[in-house]
Amino acid sequence: GAVVSQHPSWVICKSGTSVKIECRSLDFQATTMFWYRQFPKQSLMLMATSNEGSKATYEQGVEKDKFLINHASLTLSTLTVTSAHPEDSSFYICSLAPVSGANVLTFGAGSRLTVL
Amino acid sequence: GEDVEQSLFLSVREGDSSVINCTYTDSSSTYLYWYKQEPGAGLQLLTYIFSNMDMKQDQRLTVLLNKKDKHLSLRIADTQTGDSAIYFCAERGNQAGTALIFGKGTTLSVSS
Repeated sequence: GAVVSQHPSWVICKSGTSVKIECRSLDFQATTMFWYRQFPKQSLMLMATSNEGSKATYEQGVEKDKFLINHASLTLSTLTVTSAHPEDSSFYICSLAPVSGANVLTFGAGSRLTVL
Repeated sequence: GEDVEQSLFLSVREGDSSVINCTYTDSSSTYLYWYKQEPGAGLQLLTYIFSNMDMKQDQRLTVLLNKKDKHLSLRIADTQTGDSAIYFCAERGNQAGTALIFGKGTTLSVSS
């Protein structure tokens, strides 16, 4: 089955630093990748949608200059949280839509970011 | 915009059946999903149903879809303590590249 590797699984950083999260498909090609954010005891909120080779589309209220998304290939997407602040502490999860157009999106295991 | 609603909590005794309900607003939803999330973990896909189906059964799980009322339910038979988790309902449209829209999640607590 489709496997998605997301890392780091957890990271602690100081306020003001930048953190990069990688999402990689191991055995399939992904046309579209989605990034979600989940605050404690809340649902997953879609942050942005990225297609390979083009700029990401951000949801309303998500700052594109703060959350940089790069989808350089059909197997890799990265999310960089720039100048992180404590309020950015959250669980970030990527999801990939296969090129084959399958009904099921595959999710990464998530990355827990804590900003001190 | 799309909206997915779920009740927040459900408490059952071990061995009973659990029914988790979900309503959605997007009539163009083509696929509806149930995910399970254990504490501190990622999402586990439990099952999904295509919008032209009324029911889907997979071992202890039964999904019922009432498209007219935009109501989806997940029934877990013979609920076990290991079923304690948060269950998310999600919907997705038909267009390629469409993301899943999630409900707020239902916390299922199973007591022995």
